[in-house]
Amino acid sequence: GDSVTQMEGPVTLSEEAFLTINCTYTATGYPSLFWYVQYPGEGLQLLLKATKADDKGSNKGFEATYRKETTSFHLEKGSVQVSDSAVYFCALSDLVGSEKLVFGKGTKLTVNP
Amino acid sequence: GAGVSQTPSNKVTEKGKYVELRCDPISGHTALYWYRQSLGQGPEFLIYFQGTGAADDSGLPNDRFFAVRPEGSVSTLKIQRTERGDSAVYLCASSLIGQGDGELFFGEGSRLTVL
Repeated sequence: GDSVTQMEGPVTLSEEAFLTINCTYTATGYPSLFWYVQYPGEGLQLLLKATKADDKGSNKGFEATYRKETTSFHLEKGSVQVSDSAVYFCALSDLVGSEKLVFGKGTKLTVNP
Repeated sequence: GAGVSQTPSNKVTEKGKYVELRCDPISGHTALYWYRQSLGQGPEFLIYFQGTGAADDSGLPNDRFFAVRPEGSVSTLKIQRTERGDSAVYLCASSLIGQGDGELFFGEGSRLTVL
């Protein structure tokens, strides 16, 4: 079945450092790919998405590019802030018209001032 | 309310007891999902409602788990004869019908602890 593998955390960075969180997937079809973020004390929320190969999703300075050849969707940010401290989840949806998502285990990011 | 509301936020029960968890989705959202998140894991799909009917319940782990959405809005997840392995955070999410673009709006979850 479909699955998502993301780098294990926790990840601890200093403010203004470069961030990469790796995500790879296995899917039978051509899935849509997502990054969700969970800030402390809040519910999960969509950070960015890409629906086809070579698409780049971006939001709040974060970017991820849908790489079909490497089945990857790595999350990057050039300069992290303390407010980016959260748990980040990579996810996929293999069904058109559905939000039935398969999630990775999550990566906890802590950014220190 | 403005967002997805889940109650209770925390529930502690004893093994063998019956539990109900409630979800109030965003007004106007006809699709409603339940996910379960165990410690150190990502959310796992349980069941999906489109309106009042369960469109996909393939994620329910066994027949002790049941969910309803009688009027197409509020949903209740019901767990019978709870077991310690049911301890997890139960997440509810909603979305607009037919959007299919992966944007789910999640509640903060109900943390269930079975002693």
